[in-house]
Amino acid sequence: AQTVTQSQPEMSVQEAETVTLSCTYDTSESDYYLFWYKQPPSRQMILVIRQEAYKQQNATENRFSVNFQKAAKSFSLKISDSQLGDAAMYFCAYRSGSGGSNYKLTFGKGTLLTVNP
Amino acid sequence: ETGVTQTPRHLVMGMTNKKSLKCEQHLGHNAMYWYKQSAKKPLELMFVYSLEERVENNSVPSRFSPECPNSSHLFLHLHTLQPEDSALYLCASSSSGYQETQYFGPGTRLLVL
Repeated sequence: AQTVTQSQPEMSVQEAETVTLSCTYDTSESDYYLFWYKQPPSRQMILVIRQEAYKQQNATENRFSVNFQKAAKSFSLKISDSQLGDAAMYFCAYRSGSGGSNYKLTFGKGTLLTVNP
Repeated sequence: ETGVTQTPRHLVMGMTNKKSLKCEQHLGHNAMYWYKQSAKKPLELMFVYSLEERVENNSVPSRFSPECPNSSHLFLHLHTLQPEDSALYLCASSSSGYQETQYFGPGTRLLVL
């Protein structure tokens, strides 16, 4: 079974600075998808960024980028120029790319990010 | 309304009550999901419906009963719940297909007394 580990329960960053959130996963599959979701205090889970395992290029969405290391099974999220609105719980998630369980998202426990003014 | 909506946003119920959670998606998706989010635990997938057929029942107790009358609506019927069932219940939807991203609703915060 796949597992997702987020080793940092909490992180903090100064406004306008850069922060990196860590995520590692365990899988024997070669085809899969990785996601970062953000859950602010309003509780709405919002997709931040997504990475296909078959793509070598790291995904980027504005101030958010990932460092995807497939061999190391690592998928970290970098937030540049942090803003107060980035404060939230961040979840890393894994989804199989094949087989009967390819609709299932496996989540990590989350990292609570605080942004200090 | 756009995206995925859930009602009610908050619910308090006794262990002998019967209540239902509702989820509606306005994204044209054909797969819908129920997740449970408890404190200090990863999100747990409960049920998946694809094209209105249940394709996953992740060992969920029978006191939780899902219903998907059409591709836009998903219900979670609750009866004789336990205090440990108190949690945030999240609904999500996606297009079918393994490459599709799931989009979440705001959740229903449930407290069982």
